[in-house]
Amino acid sequence: DAGVIQSPRHEVTEMGQEVTLRCKPISGHDYLFWYRQTMMRGLELLIYFNNNVPIDDSGMPEDRFSAKMPNASFSTLKIQPSEPRDSAVYFCASSFARNEQFFGPGTRLTVL
Amino acid sequence: DQQVKQNSPSLSVQEGRISILNCDYTNSMFDYFLWYKKYPAEGPTFLISISSIKDKNEDGRFTVFLNKSAKHLSLHIVPSQPGDSAVYFCAASGGNQGGKLIFGQGTELSVKP
Repeated sequence: DAGVIQSPRHEVTEMGQEVTLRCKPISGHDYLFWYRQTMMRGLELLIYFNNNVPIDDSGMPEDRFSAKMPNASFSTLKIQPSEPRDSAVYFCASSFARNEQFFGPGTRLTVL
Repeated sequence: DQQVKQNSPSLSVQEGRISILNCDYTNSMFDYFLWYKKYPAEGPTFLISISSIKDKNEDGRFTVFLNKSAKHLSLHIVPSQPGDSAVYFCAASGGNQGGKLIFGQGTELSVKP
């Protein structure tokens, strides 16, 4: 199994630009999670889906952030417009039922 | 309000000795606890878990202990190896958290040869 796949691995953009992060979960998993890791706040959950339906988006910092899961094998996290304070590592994770989550390698985002 | 806390940001241990990483939680509804290990530039990887109906779970060199009355769990690594050097996160789920995991801030373990 390829594990959770994220792209791109690194993204450098300028303030005000739109950023789209992509995630392919492990086949058969029914939960998908988006996390953000920063030095200040550690690993924080942004949003999670169950069977492609958003269940809890209370961690999404503001309306500039949006996430979609059009099918069981693909999800996107979009930031529009991006700001320097959005610079962080963004992780996608998936799980089957409420078992342990498997994380992708992360996307390191730098907003200049 | 941080529901899962790892009060030690770092820990240094000599190779061959025991490493003990600690984690405290506040939500008594949590019923499942996990430890993850994270190397630089990689995603966290699952290490070991424990259900609230148990007080100990062992997997090779790794043992997790759960003290429900104290709302405390710990991860023991015996013997510690240099390859164990990483950041360790504890996480909890259950109660009204749905499918979410609530993570602690992490403890950076350094095992010196």
